[in-house]
Amino acid sequence: DAGVIQSPRHEVTEMGQEVTLRCKPISGHNSLFWYRQTMMRGLELLIYFNNNVPIDDSGMPEDRFSAKMPNASFSTLKIQPSEPRDSAVYFCASSWGGNTEAFFGQGTRLTVV
Amino acid sequence: GQQLNQSPQSMFIQEGEDVSMNCTSSSIFNTWLWYKQDPGEGPVLLIALYKAGELTSNGRLTAQFGITRKDSFLNISASIPSDVGIYFCAGLYGGATNKLIFGTGTLLAVQP
Repeated sequence: DAGVIQSPRHEVTEMGQEVTLRCKPISGHNSLFWYRQTMMRGLELLIYFNNNVPIDDSGMPEDRFSAKMPNASFSTLKIQPSEPRDSAVYFCASSWGGNTEAFFGQGTRLTVV
Repeated sequence: GQQLNQSPQSMFIQEGEDVSMNCTSSSIFNTWLWYKQDPGEGPVLLIALYKAGELTSNGRLTAQFGITRKDSFLNISASIPSDVGIYFCAGLYGGATNKLIFGTGTLLAVQP
């Protein structure tokens, strides 16, 4: 299996622009997680889906952030409009539900200038 | 966001030394996981623990699921330079919730 695939690996954008991060989970996994990692706050869970349904989005920082999972093999995290404080590494992870471990993608490093 | 308390924050050791780190929470978890993150990469799973009191080894790594289900420990024996990285614990509520929460991380530096 190719593992969790994220794109792009790096994104540099200007403040105010829309940013879309993409994730393809491991085939057969039914849970998907979006995390944000910064030096100050570590790894923060933003949102997670079970069977394509958002279960907990309490970690989404504000309305500028939105996430979708239209099918079992694809998810997006969108920031509109982006701000410099959104600069971070965003990780997607997937797992087979219940008490099983999550596998991470390589992340998207976002820089908003 | 919610995080687990992990200590120490950082460790600087000599090659060959043993390392211990731990993770505590006010919540009970059904599963404890330990990950390692190398620079520029995503976290990679090292050990998974599924039962209170469980002690599991993976090579030079040994981890334990605390009896109270509110803590976990990771030990690395005879450290080598490639052990350098950030180690994260993670607690999984499991079941219908299936929410994975990460610790604050321990930065490990190993001097040859």
